Amino acid sequence: SQKIEQNSEALNIQEGKTATLTCNYTNYSPAYLQWYRQDPGRGPVFLLLIRENEKEKRKERLKVTFDTTLKQSLFHITASQPADSATYLCALARSYNTDKLIFGTGTRLQVFP
Amino acid sequence: GAVVSQHPSRVICKSGTSVKIECRSLDFQATTMFWYRQFPKQSLMLMATSNEGSKATYEQGVEKDKFLINHASLTLSTLTVTSAHPEDSSFYICSARALQGNIRGGNEQFFGPGTRLTVL
Repeated sequence: SQKIEQNSEALNIQEGKTATLTCNYTNYSPAYLQWYRQDPGRGPVFLLLIRENEKEKRKERLKVTFDTTLKQSLFHITASQPADSATYLCALARSYNTDKLIFGTGTRLQVFP
Repeated sequence: GAVVSQHPSRVICKSGTSVKIECRSLDFQATTMFWYRQFPKQSLMLMATSNEGSKATYEQGVEKDKFLINHASLTLSTLTVTSAHPEDSSFYICSARALQGNIRGGNEQFFGPGTRLTVL
């Protein structure tokens, strides 16, 4: 079956450290992958998109990698801050011609001072 | 820019009543809007894709007669949960894709803040 797995356990890290979140997928060959941030009781907010032919994408303190061989994407937040505490979702699109996104369950990140 | 609003943000209703949720793109035109449902600690599940002026496309397992979708304009889509039951209680989220600027592979979706539906 097709699955998108994110670590369901919360990730707790200390302020200033780098947070690394994992998104693994099986039985997909996604055209691109997106990462979203979701705060409790709110809708997701788009962070980064990475295409199948890209290895890495950066935006300020955020970095995303995409390994289509391992079927894995890693999401890094450097110099993490308590304000980064939220749930982070990865989402796949199967092709460029589709608008449909398939979401993982998300990983809750808690950054403590 | 690229703000999507939803109304109401929270609704509590009795079993058997119908509830309408509005999704608006405030500062851009959206050819396509999406409706998702999210149960606690679960992922967003796509319910349907709504294109302006045409019938919505529902995902497998989603009853189109129960979840009525109307995309009357490029800035408004509505979801009506008909004859709601307690099992319909969930967090409903819409998203919109902009009319312009859809770069190949871009497909950025802008999400609304969600509507919490509780059916008693």
